Amino acid sequence: NAGVTQTPKFQVLKTGQSMTLQCAQDMNHEYMSWYRQDPGMGLRLIHYSVGAGITDQGEVPNGYNVSRSTTEDFPLRLLSAAPSQTSVYFCASEGTGRGTEAFFGQGTRLTVV
Amino acid sequence: SQQGEEDPQALSIQEGENATMNCSYKTSINNLQWYRQNSGRGLVHLILIRSNEREKHSGRLRVTLDTSKKSSSLLITASRAADTASYFCATDDQAGTALIFGKGTTLSVSS
Repeated sequence: NAGVTQTPKFQVLKTGQSMTLQCAQDMNHEYMSWYRQDPGMGLRLIHYSVGAGITDQGEVPNGYNVSRSTTEDFPLRLLSAAPSQTSVYFCASEGTGRGTEAFFGQGTRLTVV
Repeated sequence: SQQGEEDPQALSIQEGENATMNCSYKTSINNLQWYRQNSGRGLVHLILIRSNEREKHSGRLRVTLDTSKKSSSLLITASRAADTASYFCATDDQAGTALIFGKGTTLSVSS
């Protein structure tokens, strides 16, 4: 049972480039979320999904796009990378309903130069 | 905006001592969770306490919740060097659809 898998683990982008961070879970969880973690800022919610075909914005959605075509996958797209998007990105999933623990991927460390 | 706010931001103790960290939040919650993050790794769930509970234990962890003060505390007893990590509290957002995290407390346990 792999849990939550994020790829890649590390990525360097040039300003203006686009890319997709992949997230997959094999626990049949309905809820999936993307966070970014910056020094001194904790985790901030970018986008989340409560099921296939349903997504919504979090606290810091600008510059990011998501889709949820399947229960398993929740990719995060950077449309035109900016240095301000240099961060560590975490994907998380939770079981159906509230009040269950979240499972996190190991993170993607992204640097935009 | 962030719902939870941990205090202190950083805590340094000796092995065997107890570590207490606090979390304050802004709006009504259904439950509150604590997570641990080792350096460079993903977050790991520690414990969940529901809004109708006042105290919960799990091994060396003790969590309390005071909904009237909108605050929670995490106590780690008899700390070990392996407890060195960052600790985050998390609550549901107002729609109950995503977890909102605080900025965390960095705990350093020296031997």
